[in-house]
Amino acid sequence: EAQVTQNPRYLITVTGKKLTVTCSQNMNHEYMSWYRQDPGLGLRQIYYSMNVEVTDKGDVPEGYKVSRKEKRNFPLILESPSPNQTSLYFCASSFSGGTRRVGEQFFGPGTRLTVL
Amino acid sequence: AQTVTQSQPEMSVQEAETVTLSCTYDTSESNYYLFWYKQPPSRQMILVIRQEAYKQQNATENRFSVNFQKAAKSFSLKISDSQLGDTAMYFCAFSSESARQLTFGSGTQLTVLP
Repeated sequence: EAQVTQNPRYLITVTGKKLTVTCSQNMNHEYMSWYRQDPGLGLRQIYYSMNVEVTDKGDVPEGYKVSRKEKRNFPLILESPSPNQTSLYFCASSFSGGTRRVGEQFFGPGTRLTVL
Repeated sequence: AQTVTQSQPEMSVQEAETVTLSCTYDTSESNYYLFWYKQPPSRQMILVIRQEAYKQQNATENRFSVNFQKAAKSFSLKISDSQLGDTAMYFCAFSSESARQLTFGSGTQLTVLP
């Protein structure tokens, strides 16, 4: 089954304790991205990656890191989480340009993060 | 930078009726893609419909259709014969041709009433 998986689905942590949210896709997509969803703000992009070893900042990258060492995986790292990073996080993937489905992103199930 | 505006935070509709959700966007690009995503209580993001800016014809997917007005930068979603399962948050989204970023509106919470 074609899908994007995220782990963990729920996480409660404390300020300053490093954490990683994993994301994996099995559709051979070049493009992957991370979003955070907050009430009244919709989804905002944190980081994205056009392909292996190619990453770039989105609209709200402060406090986050990413890496893309393999095509299928795109982990999100919070080196020192703070309460303002409490949010619902989504990973997404898609094909890059050159296909008719460009821009159509497939989303993971979401990770609910609470930082105390 | 592109912006997407959904001016209706909440809407409701009676089952079997038709409802239209509004979306406007701002861009200087000539070719781009527009999407409507649905987020039910399960929180899963589900693609409802997709429109390519260079296509004049409005996209349709079963009970869902769009009214794409490129000059007015408007992209509304019409849901016909509303069903209880259509109750969800609906997000309008914009992607440039390079597809590097997907910019979302703030969402419209739609409730279908029995």
